[in-house]
Amino acid sequence: GAVVSQHPSWVICKSGTSVKIECRSLDFQATTMFWYRQFPKQSLMLMATSNEGSKATYEQGVEKDKFLINHASLTLSTLTVTSAHPEDSSFYICSARVGSGAYEQYFGPGTRLTVT
Amino acid sequence: AQSVTQLGSHVSVSEGALVLLRCNYSSSVPPYLFWYVQYPNQGLQLLLKYTSAATLVKGINGFEAEFKKSETSFHLTKPSAHMSDAAEYFCAVSDLRNNDMRFGAGTRLTVKP
Repeated sequence: GAVVSQHPSWVICKSGTSVKIECRSLDFQATTMFWYRQFPKQSLMLMATSNEGSKATYEQGVEKDKFLINHASLTLSTLTVTSAHPEDSSFYICSARVGSGAYEQYFGPGTRLTVT
Repeated sequence: AQSVTQLGSHVSVSEGALVLLRCNYSSSVPPYLFWYVQYPNQGLQLLLKYTSAATLVKGINGFEAEFKKSETSFHLTKPSAHMSDAAEYFCAVSDLRNNDMRFGAGTRLTVKP
């Protein structure tokens, strides 16, 4: 149980275009989902926290207009990278948590974004 | 604010040798602590977690970690390394108040034959 999927697993796009990444909790309802970014050989950096039905909370330094997060249902959150640039190339990982009183996060397999 | 520090960005051991990956935490409230493993181009897999129960926590693949409040540490160990243990390991801290998880910089484990 507690499986989180991401789609696509990798994507290449041209500079200036937008890319949407989906994060789904397959066998549980996730009241909270998290989006992380990971540069090569570095740790995970939390980008934003999203709760179902409300606006995402972004970490300091993360452009909310560039990284649009939507948590439309208890099983789906999306991250849209708008007007992507090569510096947005990274590994994006989502995670999901069950319930507000829970602490454990279940991680997706990640999405490799390359902007050319 | 909570944080974790992983000492040693790269650890190399011989197959069959003891694995010791170090993690120290900082938290103003009782922490929840985690160790995750990441293989190349994959997400994170939970190895074990500490949630204020037993201080010695056993996880998957023969790993275990001991929570030491006096030392603010949560080091990960495995008695005998396997080649398949080669990966990146992340220590993380969380608590209900802060509602999120903070990761250490990671330690890359190399296992030599």
